[in-house]
Amino acid sequence: EIVLTQSPGTLSLSPGERATLSCRAGQSVNSRYLAWYQQKPGQAPRLLIYDTSTRATGIPDRFSGSGSGTDFTLTISRLEPEDFAVYYCQQYGSSPPVYTFGQGTKLEIK
Amino acid sequence: QVQLQESGPGLVKPSETLSLTCTVSGDFISSNKWWSWVRQPPGKGLEWIGEIFQSGRTNYNPSLKSRVTISIDKSKNQFSLRLTSVTAADTAVYYCAREGNQAYQLEPWGQGTLVTVSS
Repeated sequence: EIVLTQSPGTLSLSPGERATLSCRAGQSVNSRYLAWYQQKPGQAPRLLIYDTSTRATGIPDRFSGSGSGTDFTLTISRLEPEDFAVYYCQQYGSSPPVYTFGQGTKLEIK
Repeated sequence: QVQLQESGPGLVKPSETLSLTCTVSGDFISSNKWWSWVRQPPGKGLEWIGEIFQSGRTNYNPSLKSRVTISIDKSKNQFSLRLTSVTAADTAVYYCAREGNQAYQLEPWGQGTLVTVSS
């Protein structure tokens, strides 16, 4: 089972700033199998990015994903007040079939 | 618009069986998608429990496999989760979710239901 490690654990930034969130895998991940989610308090996770870099329907273009192999990044170009939340990366392992999540990065207002 | 709704008891006693149902609307559970359960202990991260296909084929998280059963009821457009021999460590918000349109991700999700394991 592939372990995903997200960093930093908490990121303190101000609206308008750029956020860079990291997700590192314990072994190489198929880029088609890497996704990112946003979760706000009391809500279910919301899919932001899939296939490493494709935005889900309705996701603003200030969100972007990149990476390959073991290192993946979620970037939010200019933070809006509604972007402060917890972000999870997720990979799908095909052998055995299993979804694995990172431990999350909390993006908080500075 | 596809919507998922979890239902079931909010309180389960230790050593008993947790049972939840996810009702799907806006899509057929017999579509070519996998249907998953995910849980989140209070204040912690997400843990995938398992998934089921319309054929009844299942995949489970190895860490829970010995205690988990996921089943499907096409007539009711529902799928269900059973987790046996629960302990306080199984206290969590339980979400149901569908495989995304491009596969290998989960979207949409239900709103989640909190299940507390306590005597």
